[in-house]
Amino acid sequence: DTGVSQNPRHKITKRGQNVTFRCDPISEHNRLYWYRQTLGQGPEFLTYFQNEAQLEKSRLLSDRFSAERPKGSFSTLEIQRTEQGDSAMYLCAIAPLYEQYFGPGTRLTVT
Amino acid sequence: AQSVTQLDSQVPVFEEAPVELRCNYSSSVSVYLFWYVQYPNQGLQLLLKYLSGSTLVKGINGFEAEFNKSQTSFHLRKPSVHISDTAEYFCAVTRIIQGAQKLVFGQGTRLTINP
Repeated sequence: DTGVSQNPRHKITKRGQNVTFRCDPISEHNRLYWYRQTLGQGPEFLTYFQNEAQLEKSRLLSDRFSAERPKGSFSTLEIQRTEQGDSAMYLCAIAPLYEQYFGPGTRLTVT
Repeated sequence: AQSVTQLDSQVPVFEEAPVELRCNYSSSVSVYLFWYVQYPNQGLQLLLKYLSGSTLVKGINGFEAEFNKSQTSFHLRKPSVHISDTAEYFCAVTRIIQGAQKLVFGQGTRLTINP
């Protein structure tokens, strides 16, 4: 148990639909990260929260993507007007100190 | 910017044999180094980390890694592998700075253990 849950675990959606993923740390952690992992690749950084403030975003995060972390607890990642290229595993991680602990991920398939 | 190169995309090994998974990184600043393991359809599990101090670090499941600053390497080793070690292994690096310490990952090495 890494202390991070993600829901849903799997999501199949049609191109053009909006989807939202949720990340729930079991206990409060200041720092929370989102990564995207496509098939056969290592995860790539998407965005970072320090408490409720979104402090850094990757250029991978197009304007169709938005992330929030209200009250510095759980976080959501929304993708609007999904495209087939958005198909990937979306991973959330918390960082108590220098290392990061990942949740099980949400696998998105866009048909 | 940092980058990570995992020199082998696939490593097949017989059970109980030793294994080494190679990782080289590039960075203009000091870094922290990590190895993660990923089983099918799961998230990443931290195997071990190098932050400072002894260059030989031990992790879970009998794995260890050695940080070599001059060669900018952080190779992962296990003296005797088990079938259950079959998984994808990722090397990652992050800068030692305040704020967002985003991880930069290599492309992964698929370790396959054959009986």
